[in-house]
Amino acid sequence: SQQGEEDPQALSIQEGENATMNCSYKTSINNLQWYRQNSGRGLVHLILIRSNEREKHSGRLRVTLDTSKKSSSLLITASRAADTASYFCATVLTSGTYKYIFGTGTRLKVLA
Amino acid sequence: SQTIHQWPATLVQPVGSPLSLECTVEGTSNPNLYWYRQAAGRGLQLLFYSVGIGQISSEVPQNLSASRPQDRQFILSSKKLLLSDSGFYLCAWSVRLAGAGELFFGEGSRLTVL
Repeated sequence: SQQGEEDPQALSIQEGENATMNCSYKTSINNLQWYRQNSGRGLVHLILIRSNEREKHSGRLRVTLDTSKKSSSLLITASRAADTASYFCATVLTSGTYKYIFGTGTRLKVLA
Repeated sequence: SQTIHQWPATLVQPVGSPLSLECTVEGTSNPNLYWYRQAAGRGLQLLFYSVGIGQISSEVPQNLSASRPQDRQFILSSKKLLLSDSGFYLCAWSVRLAGAGELFFGEGSRLTVL
């Protein structure tokens, strides 16, 4: 079964606006990661946040993690048309089994 | 630098035919290797992962199998394809540390079973 569920499933915004995507998961994690997928391509890693961290920044990306609520959010500030893609969260479990479990994804469309 | 190659990129196969997708990683040793499947417009489903040669963990009962004949080679196979096997197959690797680090993905193989 899916570990993560993202919402919204789809998001359409104007260039320059901020985009926020949320991810919820079910079990204890070692870390949580966000990935981007352009249509028909492989996934590309964006950012990793460990279970003992609450917030992390990378360029225009800001990720938060609330382990008590088992949720994370990805904020993309000042969005660009090139940010149009699907975004997935992935959780790495604490059991040491090397499994990365992906959520259902958010399809972001940034209108120029 | 590390690279991951996955092929073929696209294939169309009849129901009941065999399948072989291959993935190789260059520029690293002892990687963890993964096969994921993505249905159209959906998330990624973990199919198999491997932490070493000949060590395969299966996540979902199905008519697919995986093998790791060499340290940096991961093969996904089927003896008889089903219509439900259609999808986008992604190979990925990670550094062999327990639960740490990012996944590096190949460009995917799109399989259509007719």
